[in-house]
Amino acid sequence: QKEVEQDPGPLSVPEGAIVSLNCTYSNSAFQYFMWYRQYSRKGPELLMYTYSSGNKEDGRFTAQVDKSSKYISLFIRDSQPSDSATYLCAMSGSWGKLQFGAGTQVVVTP
Amino acid sequence: KAGVTQTPRYLIKTRGQQVTLSCSPISGHRSVSWYQQTPGQGLQFLFEYFSETQRNKGNFPGRFSGRQFSNSRSEMNVSTLELGDSALYLCASSAEGNEQFFGPGTRLTVL
Repeated sequence: QKEVEQDPGPLSVPEGAIVSLNCTYSNSAFQYFMWYRQYSRKGPELLMYTYSSGNKEDGRFTAQVDKSSKYISLFIRDSQPSDSATYLCAMSGSWGKLQFGAGTQVVVTP
Repeated sequence: KAGVTQTPRYLIKTRGQQVTLSCSPISGHRSVSWYQQTPGQGLQFLFEYFSETQRNKGNFPGRFSGRQFSNSRSEMNVSTLELGDSALYLCASSAEGNEQFFGPGTRLTVL
């Protein structure tokens, strides 16, 4: 079983809808949680970075971490076609080493 | 602030050869991590360097090695290339090791 589980999708939503993404994990040592966006043939771009449990909001993006359930989420409000990409969750329990989910492909249709 | 740069962006090698990839981190960052990304395995951690010391290492064979220089620039080397080493190699820069910013990657093709 993988340490980080993420549904690969694809997840298709109409423009303007809320995109809901999530990951589960098994390693209770994870303390730092991240969401990245990756366009085809590009490097991942950091969207959200959180430490421990709680919520964090940045513009149209909201990240939630529930360490008791070992579950993290990312919500994208008012989705745009330019949000079409692969979204990767990542987490860390030891310096410098991120453990990634498989990535969810999101398609926002006009 | 300039982002993370990686050179070269594309490489084609043949089996048995070796290759060296370079990464320049964001100014002021002392941590550089390397990852391999393939369609089948996703993003996998190779190793991390902080202030010229390898601080963490993933589960890759000894053919994969790296180093970091005093200016925080980092290189990774793959010796005796195999077909399965074809991948996108990404480096990530961080001030302390966790909040990581990625470069564009080097796409390596092994023939």
